[in-house]
Amino acid sequence: AQTVTQSQPEMSVQEAETVTLSCTYDTSESDYYLFWYKQPPSRQMILVIRQEAYKQQNATENRFSVNFQKAAKSFSLKISDSQLGDAAMYFCAYRSVRGGSQGNLIFGKGTKLSVKP
Amino acid sequence: DAGVTQSPTHLIKTRGQQVTLRCSPKSGHDTVSWYQQALGQGPQFIFQYYEEEERQRGNFPDRFSGHQFPNYSSELNVNALLLGDSALYLCASSLVLGLPEQYFGPGTRLTVT
Repeated sequence: AQTVTQSQPEMSVQEAETVTLSCTYDTSESDYYLFWYKQPPSRQMILVIRQEAYKQQNATENRFSVNFQKAAKSFSLKISDSQLGDAAMYFCAYRSVRGGSQGNLIFGKGTKLSVKP
Repeated sequence: DAGVTQSPTHLIKTRGQQVTLRCSPKSGHDTVSWYQQALGQGPQFIFQYYEEEERQRGNFPDRFSGHQFPNYSSELNVNALLLGDSALYLCASSLVLGLPEQYFGPGTRLTVT
């Protein structure tokens, strides 16, 4: 069974600086998807970024980028120029490409990010 | 473009009662997944519906059941509520032949007393 581990329960960053959130996962599959989701206090889970395992190039979305190391099964999220609105819980998630219509997401326990003004 | 909606926002029930939570998927989506998020934890997959059938199921007892309607909306039913069922219940929608990500609703906070 696949597992996702986020080893940093809490992180803090100064506004305008850069922070990196860590995620490791365990799988025997060669093809899968990885995601970072953000959950602010409003509770709604918002997709931040997606990475396909078959792509060597790291995904980037504006201030958010990932460092995908497939051999090491590592998937970290870098937030550049941190803003107060980035404060939230961040979840790393894994999805198999197998398993029927659309595979379910497997989440880590999350990292709470605080942004200091 | 309407996003995923869920109702109600909050719900308080007593042990042993039954509850029904509702979800309308994002416009154009045909697949609905339900997750349970306990306080301080990541979401746990309950089950997924496509074409009005349960396609996948996580490690949840039969007290948890669901339904999908022809308009793709979905219900989550929980019978014989336990204190441990208190959680945030998230609905997510996706398109079976579309992008791999799921889009989440705001959730229903269920408290069992």
